[in-house]
Amino acid sequence: QLQLQESGPGLVKPSQTLSLTCTVSGGPVSSAAYFWNWIRQHPEKGLEWIGYIHFTGNTYYNPSLKSRLTISVDTSKNQFYLNLNSVTAADTAVYYCATRGIALAGNSFQHWGQGTLVTVSS
Amino acid sequence: DIQMTQSPSSLSASVGDRVTITCRANQSISGYLNWYQQKPGKAPDLLIYSASRLQNGVPSRFSGSESGTDFTLAISSLQPEDFANYYCQQSYIPPYTFGQGTKLDIK
Repeated sequence: QLQLQESGPGLVKPSQTLSLTCTVSGGPVSSAAYFWNWIRQHPEKGLEWIGYIHFTGNTYYNPSLKSRLTISVDTSKNQFYLNLNSVTAADTAVYYCATRGIALAGNSFQHWGQGTLVTVSS
Repeated sequence: DIQMTQSPSSLSASVGDRVTITCRANQSISGYLNWYQQKPGKAPDLLIYSASRLQNGVPSRFSGSESGTDFTLAISSLQPEDFANYYCQQSYIPPYTFGQGTKLDIK
């Protein structure tokens, strides 16, 4: 059973870069069967998909964030990463990492981390 | 982007009731519709994928159906642990989009 755990600073200053790590256990991030995703949820609001990476380096970003976003992966550490630059208060949210199977379970988000709250404030 | 319109935004019901939540896509998503349950302070949990397939371990009182671009989540007999937020999500094409959510609370 895959398990995911987000980590990173809980407070980021405006205009700086938000950096998060997702550590994967119970399976390799180099699995060809999964895309590794970031999803966020603004306080008391709905869910927004941010983007994904495959271990091959293939990425797909939400166009609404693409200009500020980098998702990367380190197979040796079994981790993948989110970097979002030039943040504003609108980026304050709970950030989740999640798996999306390739042709598994309807391409749904099957496994989620517990989420980490990131607040953008000076 | 594909827009997912979910209704109602909130719903009050009693233990034992049958409830339905609907989700409409603004274009065809070929059945790539998933439902999630989220409890306060927790990550969403996958309930149903591909419109009607129950995720392993999900009680059979949950069911999903589709009719064209309209999708329905039904809970046949509400249990106390079912009071939560529910989201639909299309996994047809990126950017993957979610409905705005339905808060199901106790009447």
